[in-house]
Amino acid sequence: DGGITQSPKYLFRKEGQNVTLSCEQNLNHDAMYWYRQDPGQGLRLIYYSQIVNDFQKGDIAEGYSVSREKKESFPLTVTSAQKNPTAFYLCASRRGASGGGDTQYFGPGTRLTVL
Amino acid sequence: SQQGEEDPQALSIQEGENATMNCSYKTSINNLQWYRQNSGRGLVHLILIRSNEREKHSGRLRVTLDTSKKSSSLLITASRAADTASYFCATDRSNYQLIWGAGTKLIIKP
Repeated sequence: DGGITQSPKYLFRKEGQNVTLSCEQNLNHDAMYWYRQDPGQGLRLIYYSQIVNDFQKGDIAEGYSVSREKKESFPLTVTSAQKNPTAFYLCASRRGASGGGDTQYFGPGTRLTVL
Repeated sequence: SQQGEEDPQALSIQEGENATMNCSYKTSINNLQWYRQNSGRGLVHLILIRSNEREKHSGRLRVTLDTSKKSSSLLITASRAADTASYFCATDRSNYQLIWGAGTKLIIKP
């Protein structure tokens, strides 16, 4: 099956801990995105990557970090500097860095809760 | 920054009725998309309409776009219980990013 997988589905973090959320896609898509969704709100962009070994900050990058060492993988680390990390995190991909259209394909999400 | 604003925030209708949701945006666009999100799940792409299109159909979905009013509407005909979800509009932004609205929560009552 082609698609985007995110793990874990649920994640609990203690204050002061860093945690890493996994996102893997086998769609051969160039671009990948991380969003944060809070209850009753739309998606806010954290980071995005249009090509391997390159990524840019989105609107709310503070307290987060990413890497893009492989085309298939775009892990997100939520650091202790993120003061309010409890949220639903969504990873998405898009076919091409250019000419691929704007449609994004989403993973099932990771719900992060700070204890 | 949020550009799209969906209206209404919530909508509850009887199964079989039509559901209409609206989206307004602020800046010029190349295209506008609609996505569906079931509770606690990822988003699923429904339809994309380009700025030079006025109406588009996909099954029971009908999307209109009025660039002069900077607005779009999503009509779901003959609603079913499985249509219960949140619906988001998204407009294109520079560098292949999307700007998302806060969504309309649709509840279909049996």
